[in-house]
Amino acid sequence: DAGVIQSPRHEVTEMGQEVTLRCKPISGHNSLFWYRQTMMRGLELLIYFNNNVPIDDSGMPEDRFSAKMPNASFSTLKIQPSEPRDSAVYFCATEQGGGNTIYFGEGSWLTVV
Amino acid sequence: SQQGEEDPQALSIQEGENATMNCSYKTSINNLQWYRQNSGRGLVHLILIRSNEREKHSGRLRVTLDTSKKSSSLLITASRAADTASYFCATDPPGRRALTFGSGTRLQVQP
Repeated sequence: DAGVIQSPRHEVTEMGQEVTLRCKPISGHNSLFWYRQTMMRGLELLIYFNNNVPIDDSGMPEDRFSAKMPNASFSTLKIQPSEPRDSAVYFCATEQGGGNTIYFGEGSWLTVV
Repeated sequence: SQQGEEDPQALSIQEGENATMNCSYKTSINNLQWYRQNSGRGLVHLILIRSNEREKHSGRLRVTLDTSKKSSSLLITASRAADTASYFCATDPPGRRALTFGSGTRLQVQP
């Protein structure tokens, strides 16, 4: 299995631009999580989906952030407009039906200048 | 706020020595997990211990859990340079479906 696939791996963008991060979960995993990692705040849960339905988005920092999971094979995290304080590593992780072990992608390293 | 707090924040040891990292958490849990993160990479699951277990082993890893003290420890025996990484504990409190991660311990193993 290829594991959780995230793209892009690195992105540098200017403040105000729209950023779209993508995630392809492991086949058969029905829970998907978006985490953000920074030095100051560590790993924060942004949102998670179960069977493509958003269950908890209380970690989404602002209305500028949105996430979708149109099908079991794909999810996006969008930031519009982006700000320098959004600079972080964004991880997608997936889990197979209550197994509790989650599998992380390699992350998308975002820099907003 | 983070559920788990690791201690120490950073640890530097010589190859062959044992490394012990501690995690404290705030609420009751269903289970506790430890993850490892190499620099620039995603997190990788190491071991899971359930709330009704007190100790668990996996290779050179030994995890203990004390639910009365709301704490866990991860012991890596006979450390290797390749064990250099950050280590995170993660919990799933009842009523919360997703894992909450601690702040992590950065382990440096000197060859």
